[in-house]
Order: sequence, then C-alpha cells, then structure tokens
Amino acid sequence: RKEVEQDPGPFNVPEGATVAFNCTYSNSASQSFFWYRQDCRKEPKLLMSVYSSGNEDGRFTAQLNRASQYISLLIRDSKLSDSATYLCVVNSLGGYNKLIFGAGTRLAVHP
Amino acid sequence: EADIYQTPRYLVIGTGKKITLECSQTMGHDKMYWYQQDPGMELHLIHYSYGVNSTEKGDLSSESTVSRIRTEHFPLTLESARPSHTSQYLCASSAPTGRHEKLFFGSGTQLSVL
Repeated sequence: RKEVEQDPGPFNVPEGATVAFNCTYSNSASQSFFWYRQDCRKEPKLLMSVYSSGNEDGRFTAQLNRASQYISLLIRDSKLSDSATYLCVVNSLGGYNKLIFGAGTRLAVHP
Repeated sequence: EADIYQTPRYLVIGTGKKITLECSQTMGHDKMYWYQQDPGMELHLIHYSYGVNSTEKGDLSSESTVSRIRTEHFPLTLESARPSHTSQYLCASSAPTGRHEKLFFGSGTQLSVL
C-alpha cells in the first residue's frame, strides 16, 4: 500500500463548478500536510499547507481529518487556469524532512 | 518566484555517457533534494543534503551520485547513462516557514537516454 493515495482522476468539470479531492495517508504519526499544484511538464509549487482546524485561501479550502487519516481540497468556482495536477504531500517522521508525495489528481476545467 | 535553477532543461544522450545535472540556488538554503518523477507518477526522493559535505540516499534506489561542496550547488551525476534512467529529475531546496518546511523546486531536467 502506498503511503499517500489519491484518486488519479481526471476530474473533468465545467467552469464555475465546485470540485473536491481527497487524499489518504497511512502513517498516523504524520505531522504536516500540504497541497502542491503541478502543471504539465512543470515543477510542483506549493498551493497551501493544511492545518488541523482547516484553512481557506480564496477559492481553495483544505481540511484534515486525523482520525480517518485523510486530507481534502475543495475548489470553488473553478477557473480554466485551475487545470493542473494536484499533489497531496505528507511529512512523515524519519529523521529528516521526509515529504511523501501522492501521485496526484488531475483536474481539467472546460468552458 | 524561487531562485533555484536547473540545467539543462532537456537532455537527450546515448547509452554509456557520463552526465551531470546541475542545480543551484541563491537563497542560502542548507537543505537540498533530488527527486525523480516519471509521467503521471509520484515524485520519489533519490538524494538529499542537509548542508555542505552532507549527502544521503533517499527512498528510491538510484545509480546516480551527488555532491555538496558549496551550499548553493548540488549536482547529480550518472557515470554511465542507460535507457532506464530516462525520467524527469527535479531539484529542490527548503526553508522553514513557521512550523513547516517549504519546498522550492527548480524547473527540472527531462532526461532521455537512447
């Protein structure tokens, strides 16, 4: 079983739609959680960190459920420019800054 | 924008050649990393460094080697390239931001070995 699992998608949604991604992680001792965005053939870029109480950044809302070991990302009012792959990233304990990346969920927003 | 640079952006090379992928950052970060990513797959850590003269192997076994003689420079070398080394190689550095480490990625090197 992979340490971080995501639905690969693709999620094909019209502009303006609300879309939600989930991610599960296997290490219950994980401390930090993030969502990265990766455009096709580009490097990943940090979208937002995920805090225990949940957090929002504009149209993006991230939530963490430690009991069920999953993280979610909600995108409201989807834009064409949101089309990308969204990577769930978990920091596992391991003596160094061990970030485990999920394989990503691909989002395609169409007109 | 992050100040971390990778060269070359694309490299097509024949089997058996020695290659070095360059990575430099001007942010003064101590921690640097090399990830390998195949299309549609997750990133795998192959090397990391916590500072000058510190290098460690990551989670994914790799025939490549790295060096860290200067803080800003973290090159990756393959002594004899093979088709199985074809992949995208992403360099990153990190800095603490609050409780977390934030990763800054270079643009990557797409390596194709024929």
